[in-house]
Amino acid sequence: KQEVTQIPAALSVPEGENLVLNCSFTDSAIYNLQWFRQDPGKGLTSLLLIQSSQREQTSGRLNASLDKSSGRSTLYIAASQPGDSATYLCAVNSYKLIFGSGTRLLVRP
Amino acid sequence: GAVVSQHPSRVICKSGTSVKIECRSLDFQATTMFWYRQFPKQSLMLMATSNEGSKATYEQGVEKDKFLINHASLTLSTLTVTSAHPEDSSFYICSVFRGQEGLNTEAFFGQGTRLTVV
Repeated sequence: KQEVTQIPAALSVPEGENLVLNCSFTDSAIYNLQWFRQDPGKGLTSLLLIQSSQREQTSGRLNASLDKSSGRSTLYIAASQPGDSATYLCAVNSYKLIFGSGTRLLVRP
Repeated sequence: GAVVSQHPSRVICKSGTSVKIECRSLDFQATTMFWYRQFPKQSLMLMATSNEGSKATYEQGVEKDKFLINHASLTLSTLTVTSAHPEDSSFYICSVFRGQEGLNTEAFFGQGTRLTVV
């Protein structure tokens, strides 16, 4: 059974800092991995999708990496801004999309 | 534009009544849709896989008689919470994959439905 873990559970940083969110999964037989953002009381916004054959994907200030063999992914956020404050979820696709518990990020002005 | 439309976005119902939530795939046909539930400050938990033209597949611990899923067409899946109780109050959200099965598939989510049972 696929299990997805995210560390840290919460993170508070001053504006401008670069930060890394971690995601690990137990079964490396995956199709792809997605990172999402969720604002309080809202739905999900897809940030990045990494196929199992890829090592990383970039979009603006976001960079996601994937090491399938070790069951790890990281989301790197450069030059964080208060608007980045949200919960970040990673989800592993092995036919079904299984979510981690999320990292609640607060970027202080 | 939106790929998945979910309705309603918010509903309040009395205990003992049933509530139906619709999930529509707007841009493509979806033989499979997924239903998730999210309690406050928790992550999304997969409830069931909705299969067009056949019975839904429920995750362990999810009562199939309480959460009725109907996937009557390639663009519509419905989740009915039957005899709702306050403990069913939660955020329900549906998802579809777009792309070739397995490979190159990206998950898209509806806006979610916040159910409050009073």
